[in-house]
Amino acid sequence: AQKVTQAQTEISVVEKEDVTLDCVYETRDTTYYLFWYKQPPSGELVFLIRRNSFDEQNEISGRYSWNFQKSTSSFNFTITASQVVDSAVYFCALSEGDILTGGGNKLTFGTGTQLKVEL
Amino acid sequence: NAGVTQTPKFRVLKTGQSMTLLCAQDMNHEYMYWYRQDPGMGLRLIHYSVGEGTTAKGEVPDGYNVSRLKKQNFLLGLESAAPSQTSVYFCASSWGLYNEQFFGPGTRLTVL
Repeated sequence: AQKVTQAQTEISVVEKEDVTLDCVYETRDTTYYLFWYKQPPSGELVFLIRRNSFDEQNEISGRYSWNFQKSTSSFNFTITASQVVDSAVYFCALSEGDILTGGGNKLTFGTGTQLKVEL
Repeated sequence: NAGVTQTPKFRVLKTGQSMTLLCAQDMNHEYMYWYRQDPGMGLRLIHYSVGEGTTAKGEVPDGYNVSRLKKQNFLLGLESAAPSQTSVYFCASSWGLYNEQFFGPGTRLTVL
C-alpha cells in the first residue's frame, strides 16, 4: 500500500526566511506521480506541482522549488523568502494507478504541514 | 468555466437522516473523486469514478454510496448519517490517470 509521510505538523517562520517542507513516500510501483497542493485558510485546494517517477530533475518556479530524490523516497518543497500569503496547509500526495485495470488516479495524501509566516 | 462546483456548501444533519452531495464539473473530465478531510488526517478517498456509469471504492467507502449517471456529475449519498461522518467533503476531477486533480470548494457537513 502506498503511504505519504509529512512529519512536520506545523512550522512557523518569520517573513523572508526560507522554509523546507518535507515529504517522504512509500510505494511498490515503478510508475507513480507526486504532487503538492496548497490549502489556504479559505479552504480550497490549489495544485502546485506534479512530478513523475522517471524525472528526478529539481524544479523551480519563482520562489518555489522542489527536490525529488528517489534514493531517499523524498519530494521536498522549499519556499524561498517566505511571505505572509504563503501561510497555508501544504499537502504532499502520491498517485499510483492500476493501468491494467484502469484503476484511476488514486491520490494518497499526507497529513499536511501547517505553515505560518509571520511579520 | 466554473471548474468543479459542490452543492451544498454547508449542511447539518441529525443522526439517521439521509442526504446527497452533488458535484459537477464542466471540464469534460473522465475521472471524478470524493474525499473527506478530517483534522490531522489529510484527505482520504471515499469513492471514485473512471467514467460515466462507473464507480469504485476508495479508502473509506463504508456508509457512503455514489452514482455517476452523467459524465459531468458525481453524487455522494449518505443513507443513514452518523456523527463519525462529520467532516469536510471535497469533490475532484481529472483528465486522466496521472493528471492533477481539480478540487471543488468543499462541503462542510455536521451530523448531530
